[in-house]
Amino acid sequence: DVKVTQSSRYLVKRTGEKVFLECVQDMDHENMFWYRQDPGLGLRLIYFSYDVKMKEKGDIPEGYSVSREKKERFSLILESASTNQTSMYLCASSETGNNARYGYTFGSGTRLTVV
Amino acid sequence: AQSVTQPDIHITVSEGASLELRCNYSYGATPYLFWYVQSPGQGLQLLLKYFSGDTLVQGIKGFEAEFKRSQSSFNLRKPSVHWSDAAEYFCAVGAESSYKLIFGSGTRLLVRP
Repeated sequence: DVKVTQSSRYLVKRTGEKVFLECVQDMDHENMFWYRQDPGLGLRLIYFSYDVKMKEKGDIPEGYSVSREKKERFSLILESASTNQTSMYLCASSETGNNARYGYTFGSGTRLTVV
Repeated sequence: AQSVTQPDIHITVSEGASLELRCNYSYGATPYLFWYVQSPGQGLQLLLKYFSGDTLVQGIKGFEAEFKRSQSSFNLRKPSVHWSDAAEYFCAVGAESSYKLIFGSGTRLLVRP
């Protein structure tokens, strides 16, 4: 069964900390995505990557960066965590190519609380 | 630009009753359409997808959806709801020449015993 694995289900971090959220997929997918999910706001795209070392900003990239050094791993970095970044973070991947027809496979999510 | 509207924020049905969740999209060409389900505290799981062919699509867990081009809709249906179907449901649209899916804001389904 294909899988997207997010390393932590729950994280609690302090304001100002640098936070790393890790995502690994075993499907040899080229495209990977980071979303955040907040009540009433649905899923909002933070960043995506269509190849190793390639990345593009999504709709809400401010306060975040990403790293894709290997095909299977896509990391989301909160440079200096703030309380308004408390959220559910979802990683997803999709098959190769500039074509959304196959949809995404999602990880189980990381619920991040910044105190 | 593509967009997706799920007009119902919450829906409550009795166990055993039929279900229809609404989804309307905006896109100029034939879209790729998806329904995902999210149980509390979990990620999103793909229920079904449409990208061509038969406009009535069968998915997992007894769900189906029908693509109606004239109404720009892709409504999700189930003939008899089970308590375990209580979850949040997301409709999404994608397009050729795009990496991204656009998600609706979700519909939360509550199931009465």
